[in-house]
Amino acid sequence: SQQGEEDPQALSIQEGENATMNCSYKTSINNLQWYRQNSGRGLVHLILIRSNEREKHSGRLRVTLDTSKKSSSLLITASRAADTASYFCATFQGAQKLVFGQGTRLTINP
Amino acid sequence: AAGVIQSPRHLIKEKRETATLKCYPIPRHDTVYWYQQGPGQDPQFLISFYEKMQSDKGSIPDRFSAQQFSDYHSELNMSSLELGDSALYFCASSLDRGVNTEAFFGQGTRLTVV
Repeated sequence: SQQGEEDPQALSIQEGENATMNCSYKTSINNLQWYRQNSGRGLVHLILIRSNEREKHSGRLRVTLDTSKKSSSLLITASRAADTASYFCATFQGAQKLVFGQGTRLTINP
Repeated sequence: AAGVIQSPRHLIKEKRETATLKCYPIPRHDTVYWYQQGPGQDPQFLISFYEKMQSDKGSIPDRFSAQQFSDYHSELNMSSLELGDSALYFCASSLDRGVNTEAFFGQGTRLTVV
């Protein structure tokens, strides 16, 4: 990966449960972003958290950022079948160089 | 709302041929990014442009080149194609204005080299 590791690489849960995905990065950042990708489709931006923020919410999404550990987590609450997708974190490692982690493949079972 | 448009959506080429992928960013966006994504892989950053000037380069082979035109659309040119170039190629754009923001992705071009 150009950026770092995401963990777990795959996650399978029951509909209604919460899903937590983690991301680690290697360099100092201004912000960290999370994206979702449905199979074979384009990436969709979910949320951006700045380096001076520790937590951010958007609907059923909750993102935390720990710059001292160079890590972030994405929590999806009350999961739905439509949440089945791959989730990637991304950070800038240059002026306009947005790089992605390895991603977590999330499967929501009905 | 207008989105990032990529063309073609699918492309089949033979080894050693040349391919040109096109990207039309969201109007007024000043930054364009190109990515390559192999099966089951994360998107790999290739190259970016800011205000029509090349900004950053990633793991882009020498056989590939890209440019951004006066109307802000961008093209990725790939020559001497190899089987390993088969992948999804994404273009994204953002309104950066010097402050890194979220990128909006197109639906991608699926390139198959046979």
